[in-house]
Amino acid sequence: GQNIDQPTEMTATEGAIVQINCTYQTSGFNGLFWYQQHAGEAPTFLSYNVLDGLEEKGRFSSFLSRSKGYSYLLLKELQMKDSASYLCAVRGGSGGYQKVTFGIGTKLQVIP
Amino acid sequence: SAVISQKPSRDICQRGTSLTIQCQVDSQVTMMFWYRQQPGQSLTLIATANQGSEATYESGFVIDKFPISRPNLTFSTLTVSNMSPEDSSIYLCSVPDREGYGYTFGSGTRLTVV
Repeated sequence: GQNIDQPTEMTATEGAIVQINCTYQTSGFNGLFWYQQHAGEAPTFLSYNVLDGLEEKGRFSSFLSRSKGYSYLLLKELQMKDSASYLCAVRGGSGGYQKVTFGIGTKLQVIP
Repeated sequence: SAVISQKPSRDICQRGTSLTIQCQVDSQVTMMFWYRQQPGQSLTLIATANQGSEATYESGFVIDKFPISRPNLTFSTLTVSNMSPEDSSIYLCSVPDREGYGYTFGSGTRLTVV
């Protein structure tokens, strides 16, 4: 099976940088995703990592270490609109069947 | 990214009845996924719907409770059968992005069973 751990809540200040960590266990690893979900809305895709290293996309960066089963999402220059839940998700599986499993989500509150 | 139209957006249903949720995609996709998100929880995969074959259900979910149809490569339905208040949740469909590495979600169906 797949197991994903991430903090349930974080608070950060507008303009600051925040790092949201995610650790995972899975067989047949085939990619890690970060999604943003505002309350009452569907998740929206932020980033994808399948190789080790850092992927940067504007104010958002995501890092992956496959050997450590570890990823983080880095948000820079925080804005109030970044207050949302951030979901770490892992694609994996065996026997030709792969699925995406989501973590519980980290609820980020950005304060003035 | 793919564009998904999901209906209904919300519904309030009586205990013991059934509700069918539809997802229409603007492009052909091999696999469609159905998720449930209970209040304050993350997304849980219910089943994977493949065109031309029976859906693959995850542990804890059965076809009699959540029958799925996949008549073609752009459309799928999920039925929540014989509903109870415990089925109150948000149900979402999802498809792989055309770019090949992300997934797009429908807008969700907020179901309340009374």
